[in-house]
Amino acid sequence: RKEVEQDPGPFNVPEGATVAFNCTYSNSASQSFFWYRQDCRKEPKLLMSVYSSGNEDGRFTAQLNRASQYISLLIRDSKLSDSATYLCVVGNNAGNMLTFGGGTRLMVKP
Amino acid sequence: EADIYQTPRYLVIGTGKKITLECSQTMGHDKMYWYQQDPGMELHLIHYSYGVNSTEKGDLSSESTVSRIRTEHFPLTLESARPSHTSQYLCATRGGHNSPLHFGNGTRLTVT
Repeated sequence: RKEVEQDPGPFNVPEGATVAFNCTYSNSASQSFFWYRQDCRKEPKLLMSVYSSGNEDGRFTAQLNRASQYISLLIRDSKLSDSATYLCVVGNNAGNMLTFGGGTRLMVKP
Repeated sequence: EADIYQTPRYLVIGTGKKITLECSQTMGHDKMYWYQQDPGMELHLIHYSYGVNSTEKGDLSSESTVSRIRTEHFPLTLESARPSHTSQYLCATRGGHNSPLHFGNGTRLTVT
């Protein structure tokens, strides 16, 4: 089993839709959690950190469920420009290593 | 905004050549990482460093080597390039204990 798992998709959604991705992690002692966005042939860019209480940034909401060991990303009112691969990243309890999920591909259609 | 710089952006080179991919950062971060990523595939950690004179191999076996003589620089060297080394190489830094990674814009290497 992979340490960090994501549904690879693709998720094909119309503009304006709400879409949610989950990411599960195996190390219960993990301490830090992030969502990154990666466009084709570009570097990953930090979308948001994920905090225990959940956090929101505009149309994006991230949640952490420690009991079930998953994090989620909700995108409301999807835009064409949201089309990308979304990477889940989990940091270990020592604070020195980050593990990437395989990514979930989102395609927003007009 | 970019505080981490990779050069060159693109490199096409013949088999057997020695190459060095440069990575520099101005953030003073101790932790630096090299990832390898093929198109549409996952990122693989190939090297990392927790500070000057510290280097470790990552999860993916790589024929490359790295050095960390200065905090700001973390170059990656291939002594003898092969077509199997064709890939994108991404450098990243990390600040505090639970901080996120910051990526450079990558070097796309093609070995002919």
